Amino acid sequence: QSVLTQPPSVSGAPGQRVIISCTGSSSNIGAGYDVHWYQQLPGAPPKVLIYGNINRPSGVPDRFSGSKSGTSASLAITGLQAQDEADYYCQSYDNSLGGVVFGGGTMLTVL
Amino acid sequence: QVQLVESGGGVVQPGTSLRLSCAASGFMFSSYAMTWVRQAPGKGLVWVATISHDGTNKYYADSVKGRFAISRDNFKKTVSLQINSLRREDTAVYYCARRVGATYSQFDQWGQGTLVTVSS
Repeated sequence: QSVLTQPPSVSGAPGQRVIISCTGSSSNIGAGYDVHWYQQLPGAPPKVLIYGNINRPSGVPDRFSGSKSGTSASLAITGLQAQDEADYYCQSYDNSLGGVVFGGGTMLTVL
Repeated sequence: QVQLVESGGGVVQPGTSLRLSCAASGFMFSSYAMTWVRQAPGKGLVWVATISHDGTNKYYADSVKGRFAISRDNFKKTVSLQINSLRREDTAVYYCARRVGATYSQFDQWGQGTLVTVSS
């Protein structure tokens, strides 16, 4: 049971928009700690997709965007492409646990 | 370019110890906190431990406190994870990652990981 809750899977057709949610609590996201998002392609290490809630590292397409409100955060992917099929993880900090926490991960399927 | 290369994984028996290492290159190693994250087969990412840039502060997930020890050598540009009393549930790919900035920041560079399999 992860401290940050993500849907196990989402899917969408090419060109569509999908949103992946990350729900936390008052000791992590709700406490104001930043949320970061990672993409993990099969057999590869994670790669940071969004940092500091809304920021994209250079090289990440603007089809990927992040938002945060209250105790939740979201990753939106527009113009879905086949190469977006991957696992996506949110990450934050929890002051009750005193450490980094990850969401359980969401598998994105492009239909 | 930035590179993180883990080593030391393998098949080990329950109750034994293992030392994982991560060799860094391509950046000012001594300026960055470093972290170990593990991923059990088919499962999600789990934070294990973080060490500050100068090695003075170390943080552990509750699940590994007392059995795992993180350390670093800024001259050799390596970060290590000593794992004692290995359990079957420690079976995972162990990634080392670089943390950008403060405690709540993201991990912007990751190694390819080293697989630890605990089995009799």
